[in-house]
Amino acid sequence: AQKITQTQPGMFVQEKEAVTLDCTYDTSDPSYGLFWYKQPSSGEMIFLIYQGSYDQQNATEGRYSLNFQKARKSANLVISASQLGDSAMYFCAMREAGGERALRDDKIIFGKGTRLHILP
Amino acid sequence: ETGVTQTPRHLVMGMTNKKSLKCEQHLGHNAMYWYKQSAKKPLELMFVYNFKEQTENNSVPSRFSPECPNSSHLFLHLHTLQPEDSALYLCASSTWTSGMATQYFGPGTRLLVL
Repeated sequence: AQKITQTQPGMFVQEKEAVTLDCTYDTSDPSYGLFWYKQPSSGEMIFLIYQGSYDQQNATEGRYSLNFQKARKSANLVISASQLGDSAMYFCAMREAGGERALRDDKIIFGKGTRLHILP
Repeated sequence: ETGVTQTPRHLVMGMTNKKSLKCEQHLGHNAMYWYKQSAKKPLELMFVYNFKEQTENNSVPSRFSPECPNSSHLFLHLHTLQPEDSALYLCASSTWTSGMATQYFGPGTRLLVL
């Protein structure tokens, strides 16, 4: 079973509109972290935002915010006022704390990504 | 964040060649990672090094050989590769804790095996 599911393979959005990229996850670990990365065509994976499972508030970083709904196991990325430079692949990822295993087994699991196209 | 560098950025090699990918991080991190990104597939973790010791080998073929001489440098030695090994190879680093350290990635090496 997939641990990270991104259901939108591609999206087209008009410039200046807000964008929501979907991500659902599956874990039985009570302690985990959720990440979003952006990958432009150049290939570099750029860290955007992080949400911890025990964080009380939704994470925000500039125009990026994470809509964290723990009961639904959902961690959608919201980009406000989209810009042409936001066109890229976006990956949702999860890291499980795993107790002792985490000391040995440091893994981030990535989703398949969503390709976002911002239209002028 | 430009604290992780990778060289070369592009590499074309024949199946009988031997080459090495290099990764260097300037962030003071103590964990480093190799990932493979093929077209239309999720990012695949290959190797994890924690304090220079390999803690993960995700069933990677032996034609890929990692080396971590210190916490700042990571190599991926390649020999007798196959065309299906053509991909983007990404290096990442993080602070090793049992918490939620963020991994920071380098720009990647685009590898084409002919």
